[in-house]
Amino acid sequence: TQLLEQSPQFLSIQEGENLTVYCNSSSVFSSLQWYRQEPGEGPVLLVTVVTGGEVKKLKRLTFQFGDARKDSSLHITAAQPGDTGLYLCAGEAMNTGFQKLVFGTGTRLLVSP
Amino acid sequence: KAGVTQTPRYLIKTRGQQVTLSCSPISGHRSVSWYQQTPGQGLQFLFEYFSETQRNKGNFPGRFSGRQFSNSRSEMNVSTLELGDSALYLCASSLYPSGSSGQETQYFGPGTRLLVL
Repeated sequence: TQLLEQSPQFLSIQEGENLTVYCNSSSVFSSLQWYRQEPGEGPVLLVTVVTGGEVKKLKRLTFQFGDARKDSSLHITAAQPGDTGLYLCAGEAMNTGFQKLVFGTGTRLLVSP
Repeated sequence: KAGVTQTPRYLIKTRGQQVTLSCSPISGHRSVSWYQQTPGQGLQFLFEYFSETQRNKGNFPGRFSGRQFSNSRSEMNVSTLELGDSALYLCASSLYPSGSSGQETQYFGPGTRLLVL
């Protein structure tokens, strides 16, 4: 079973602070996705990273895929209250047709004004 | 283009009953996947349908079943409900099935929140 562990589980910060969320596994993934989920809604895709070592930026969010494609990080610069939500990483397993996406355990972020 | 829609949004059932949840994918999407989300277990894959055929199945008991219609709409059914089935059930649609390109994007619906009493 492929597992994705996210850390930290919970994060409460003030507006303007920086933060990093980690997503780690012992398994290799062909691609890794980051989602944000707000209360009462389904997850919304933020980014997909495919190549080992790849870095993608989305405004104040920076995503990195590990060289070995086993881990990823999400860095938010100058967090804002609108960034509040549940952040989920999800890996697409390599060479298997049994499972579409393996989701991480989630990081719940609260950004206070 | 309308997003993924799920009905009903909220549902209360009692133990032993059965329930059917519905999902309408984005127009043109032929792959539909179902997930269960709970605070303790997180998001777990239930099954995936493509062109009316179940392609993948997660590690859930046989009480959980699904189907897909010719118009790509999908339903999932849970029989003999247990308290532990209380969860948010999410449906996601994509253009291609799993394994097609490694990069297909899934679009999630808002979910159906099921409470079993």
